[in-house]
Amino acid sequence: AQSVTQLGSHVSVSEGALVLLRCNYSSSVPPYLFWYVQYPNQGLQLLLKYTSAATLVKGINGFEAEFKKSETSFHLTKPSAHMSDAAEYFCAVSYTGTASKLTFGTGTRLQVTL
Amino acid sequence: EAGVTQFPSHSVIEKGQTVTLRCDPISGHDNLYWYRRVMGKEIKFLLHFVKESKQDESGMPNNRFLAERTGGTYSTLKVQPAELEDSGVYFCASSPSADRYEQYFGPGTRLTVT
Repeated sequence: AQSVTQLGSHVSVSEGALVLLRCNYSSSVPPYLFWYVQYPNQGLQLLLKYTSAATLVKGINGFEAEFKKSETSFHLTKPSAHMSDAAEYFCAVSYTGTASKLTFGTGTRLQVTL
Repeated sequence: EAGVTQFPSHSVIEKGQTVTLRCDPISGHDNLYWYRRVMGKEIKFLLHFVKESKQDESGMPNNRFLAERTGGTYSTLKVQPAELEDSGVYFCASSPSADRYEQYFGPGTRLTVT
């Protein structure tokens, strides 16, 4: 069975500071990994995905994530936070193969302060 | 290109009543998924359609939930009779055959059962 753990349900950073949102996964087969963001009153938007190509994945809005197999991690980072980054972020995993359903973590709400 | 749309955005019903949620995927997307987020918990997979066929319905909680996808286009999710624990946000997502892992989410339907 696959699962995702997101450490920290709430993270607060100052504007301009580094954003680091943690995600660890458990999967018995090579995973596909995703980060989604949900802004207030909107649906989930795909930030980036790892599908067994380059381990450092760049996404939209300046975010990137690095797949580390040895640590079973896929942490999301952004060098400099902006007020508009305030949202809830979800890490998700899927199997390779025929099934494509996503298994999500519990989400991390990012607050950006002045 | 229109995104995934869901109707209604909010629904408040009493225990024992019936509710039908609708999802219109992105045009041409063969894959359609339903997910649910119960308050404070992770987003959980309910089921997956490929065109009009149910590919995976392993996440459906019980037989009070019935999903259909007419002609491989829009989908409905009916809850009958609704129970208090059915409250939550129901998300629909769609993806193309060429990249079923790139799922586009709708804004969700917030269901409250009182």
